[in-house]
Amino acid sequence: GAVVSQHPSWVICKSGTSVKIECRSLDFQATTMFWYRQFPKQSLMLMATSNEGSKATYEQGVEKDKFLINHASLTLSTLTVTSAHPEDSSFYICSLTGQGTYYGYTFGSGTRLTVV
Amino acid sequence: TQLLKQSPQFLSIQEGENLTVYCNSSSVFSSLQWYRQEPGEGPVLLVTVVTGGEVKKLKRLTFQFGDARKDSSLHITAAQPGDTGLYLCAGPSGGYQKVTFGTGTKLQVIP
Repeated sequence: GAVVSQHPSWVICKSGTSVKIECRSLDFQATTMFWYRQFPKQSLMLMATSNEGSKATYEQGVEKDKFLINHASLTLSTLTVTSAHPEDSSFYICSLTGQGTYYGYTFGSGTRLTVV
Repeated sequence: TQLLKQSPQFLSIQEGENLTVYCNSSSVFSSLQWYRQEPGEGPVLLVTVVTGGEVKKLKRLTFQFGDARKDSSLHITAAQPGDTGLYLCAGPSGGYQKVTFGTGTKLQVIP
């Protein structure tokens, strides 16, 4: 299966600053990656679909100007949380599926963002 | 939006006990997947079921896909502390490669 590397694993930032999270596909050229958000004791909520070379597709209710997604190459997608606020504190996870949905997703190890 | 509801939401059992987690929907899914997630990590795929009525076994874990492909179950025999984690079912939700996750079941196995 695909191998996904996500960095950083945790980050603490001040309110008003921006944070960039990287998701790399180490052994597969991924035209599509996905970004999820997970609150404590809850399931994963899809934020957006990252498409290589084009604009990301955001789920309803997700602010595209706040959560900037860039998928500049087949192996790297980035999520930037702009002007972060404490309510943005969460666990952010990226994923990709190497061979289609049937074969399941491979997830990054996640990024714990704490905004103080 | 196709919703996947899992039950129970939380489960705390003693080591050696058996348990079953359910994943239900009003919609038909072409396939369903089960993942386990440990704290601070991303989910890890356990199994994919595709055929209605299918049963798959993974050591002490038994997965079943309902005949109508609207539900699935995960049964764990003789649970061990290493089974502790958040169990998530997931299914295709329309759109290219998009998947909807179930509400999750948090399992704690006490030694």
